[in-house]
Amino acid sequence: GQQVMQIPQYQHVQEGEDFTTYCNSSTTLSNIQWYKQRPGGHPVFLIQLVKSGEVKKQKRLTFQFGEAKKNSSLHITATQTTDVGTYFCAAVIQGAQKLVFGQGTRLTINP
Amino acid sequence: EPEVTQTPSHQVTQMGQEVILRCVPISNHLYFYWYRQILGQKVEFLVSFYNNEISEKSEIFDDQFSVERPDGSNFTLKIRSTKLEDSAMYFCASRRRYLAGYTDTQYFGPGTRLTVL
Repeated sequence: GQQVMQIPQYQHVQEGEDFTTYCNSSTTLSNIQWYKQRPGGHPVFLIQLVKSGEVKKQKRLTFQFGEAKKNSSLHITATQTTDVGTYFCAAVIQGAQKLVFGQGTRLTINP
Repeated sequence: EPEVTQTPSHQVTQMGQEVILRCVPISNHLYFYWYRQILGQKVEFLVSFYNNEISEKSEIFDDQFSVERPDGSNFTLKIRSTKLEDSAMYFCASRRRYLAGYTDTQYFGPGTRLTVL
């Protein structure tokens, strides 16, 4: 079945440092979504990328979709303590539109 | 803002017992999903439901699982005979519609934590 690999599994940074998480798939993705899950919370939709090479920004967050539509990244500039949580990428599978999640990257921040 | 709701927030049950997890999707949504997340692991797809029938299910969703939309608002997940390994957070999600070439956002509920003893 569809697999989405996400690295790193954990990332600990000092507040103010940047953070990046990466997702890779062996197959071409139609689109990819990113979710944030706070500790004890549920996944919250952040963004969807559809086009090859697409780049989207949300304040300090930058999302990229690779040219081959097989990889994606999320970059946070100048992290804040409110950024703490686990960031998941999720590939959208056509048809039933189910989401196949990556393993997630858990971000912790030292204030 | 409309949201997906789930009840109960936490369910504790004995192995072999039946449990029903309840979800109320967003009212104008047409596609419904169940996912589960074992503690510390990734979110896994269980089943999708559209037009009063299952549209897709994963390997996890075996004969012990069933879903139902008994009325116009509720969407339930039943586990007939729970096992220890069913302990997880179960998330319901809903989506408005599908347009060719475009994927609607899935909105997740807060989850039900199922503990099987």
